[in-house]
Amino acid sequence: KAGVTQTPRYLIKTRGQQVTLSCSPISGHRSVSWYQQTPGQGLQFLFEYFSETQRNKGNFPGRFSGRQFSNSRSEMNVSTLELGDSALYLCASSLGARWVEQYFGPGTRLTVT
Amino acid sequence: AQSVTQLGSHVSVSEGALVLLRCNYSSSVPPYLFWYVQYPNQGLQLLLKYTSAATLVKGINGFEAEFKKSETSFHLTKPSAHMSDAAEYFCAVSDQGAQKLVFGQGTRLTINP
Repeated sequence: KAGVTQTPRYLIKTRGQQVTLSCSPISGHRSVSWYQQTPGQGLQFLFEYFSETQRNKGNFPGRFSGRQFSNSRSEMNVSTLELGDSALYLCASSLGARWVEQYFGPGTRLTVT
Repeated sequence: AQSVTQLGSHVSVSEGALVLLRCNYSSSVPPYLFWYVQYPNQGLQLLLKYTSAATLVKGINGFEAEFKKSETSFHLTKPSAHMSDAAEYFCAVSDQGAQKLVFGQGTRLTINP
């Protein structure tokens, strides 16, 4: 079974631009979560989608948004990029039950210049 | 709010020696606990999880962890370190009601030949 895939793997953007990252979960998984990883703040939860609905949200500004499609694929968008948005963005998928582990993709490395 | 503290941002052991990575959590309800490993330029891989069954949990690659409620700890151990164990390790706790992981700051494990 194929794992979680994320595209693109690397991205360079300029301050003020917007960016869209994509995540394809493991087949059959209905929950997709997004995390931001930075050297200073570590791993932080952004949001989780389940059956096309945002089920949980972390403490990030409204510039960070996401959505999930009927095939469970998910996208996250960051508008008006800031230098501090440079990070590894990780997507994780799971079957969705609260006790079930999440499987992570390789991440998208975003650099904002 | 739940939180995780990993004692020691960097641990160095000799090949063949015992590996002990410490994790303490704070939770108002019985938690679900996880250990993940991250190799350079990769996503997170699940090592093991605790979901209120056996307190001693065995994972992949010879790792195991023991849940101690009285000490609010979930330390990760491996009897004999291998060079391939060099990576960053993250302890995480999840809210029973959500697919949301709260991570510790991570411990970088170095194996000396």
